[in-house]
Amino acid sequence: GQQLNQSPQSMFIQEGEDVSMNCTSSSIFNTWLWYKQDPGEGPVLLIALYKAGELTSNGRLTAQFGITRKDSFLNISASIPSDVGIYFCAGPRGNAGNMLTFGGGTRLMVKP
Amino acid sequence: SAVISQKPSRDICQRGTSLTIQCQVDSQVTMMFWYRQQPGQSLTLIATANQGSEATYESGFVIDKFPISRPNLTFSTLTVSNMSPEDSSIYLCSVARSQETQYFGPGTRLLVL
Repeated sequence: GQQLNQSPQSMFIQEGEDVSMNCTSSSIFNTWLWYKQDPGEGPVLLIALYKAGELTSNGRLTAQFGITRKDSFLNISASIPSDVGIYFCAGPRGNAGNMLTFGGGTRLMVKP
Repeated sequence: SAVISQKPSRDICQRGTSLTIQCQVDSQVTMMFWYRQQPGQSLTLIATANQGSEATYESGFVIDKFPISRPNLTFSTLTVSNMSPEDSSIYLCSVARSQETQYFGPGTRLLVL
């Protein structure tokens, strides 16, 4: 089935640094979703991308839908301690529009 | 978006027992889903909760182990039956109104001893 490969698996950065993570697949996706999961919480939707090439920002977060439709990246600028958490990419499986496949997650740790 | 609550938020259970987890949404939604997140892992879809009919289970999950109810468009339950320590996980419900975008509840943390 469709798989999403997310990298890096974890990052440990200094407060103020910029962060970049990405998600790739061997299959085409028509939508890319980026979620953040805080410790002890459920995932929260950060950004949704619906068109190839689309670049969308949400505050310090920027995400892009790759032109090939097989990848997406998420950037966080000027990281702060509350950015700590696990970031997941997700996309709908095949023709099952409402059923999502999730990447393995990127665990972000920020040192004050 | 949607406001989603889950009960209980966490529980510690003995092996061989069953636990029913409730998911309540603040407004009617088309789709409801149940996921499992094992420690340190990503999310795995258990099943789609269908209103008024049997849930649709993913490969590796069966109704006898994870019976699901969805009596209306705002509520669903997941039961983890005959639990073993391997069932220790976070169980999450999610909802979708529009195509593809899902919103998640806060999760239920289950520890089976």
